Amino acid sequence: RKEVEQDPGPFNVPEGATVAFNCTYSNSASQSFFWYRQDCRKEPKLLMSVYSSGNEDGRFTAQLNRASQYISLLIRDSKLSDSATYLCVVNHYGGSQGNLIFGKGTKLSVKP
Amino acid sequence: NAGVTQTPKFQVLKTGQSMTLQCAQDMNHNSMYWYRQDPGMGLRLIYYSASEGTTDKGEVPNGYNVSRLNKREFSLRLESAAPSQTSVYFCASSAQGARSYEQYFGPGTRLTVT
Repeated sequence: RKEVEQDPGPFNVPEGATVAFNCTYSNSASQSFFWYRQDCRKEPKLLMSVYSSGNEDGRFTAQLNRASQYISLLIRDSKLSDSATYLCVVNHYGGSQGNLIFGKGTKLSVKP
Repeated sequence: NAGVTQTPKFQVLKTGQSMTLQCAQDMNHNSMYWYRQDPGMGLRLIYYSASEGTTDKGEVPNGYNVSRLNKREFSLRLESAAPSQTSVYFCASSAQGARSYEQYFGPGTRLTVT
């Protein structure tokens, strides 16, 4: 089983739609979780951390289910500018600090 | 405040040639990283440096060497390039402590080895 798995998509949605991405991780001892965003031919950028109680940043909501080893990202009221690849990222427990494992990403395309 | 910068942006090498990818950050971060990104493979860690003066292997270190020149700069060297090293290379940095897992990436170097 891969360490971090994501549905590669693409997810094609109209503007204003709500879209959810899911991610599963294999190492039950993982401690830190993130969503990164990567635009086409650009570098990944941190979108948000994922906290145990769930957290929200504007139109974006992240959830963590440790029992199921599952992370989600919900985007409400999608904008054209949300079109990108979303990377699920988990820390590598037992490694040195900052040792992250990246999922392959889920591609989102928001259409007018 | 430029963040993380990388040079060059693009490079074409012939098999067997060597080159050094440069990376610098101006955020006073202690930790720096080199990744490669290949289609369908996601980002994979090549080497990292938790602090000035230390370097450690990541998931795919073979064929690469690194130097942490000072706190700001972390270079990646390909001694004898191979076509399998055709990839996009990203450098990243992070602070210590509670935010150590938040990594900030440079714009990448697109390398083709023929």
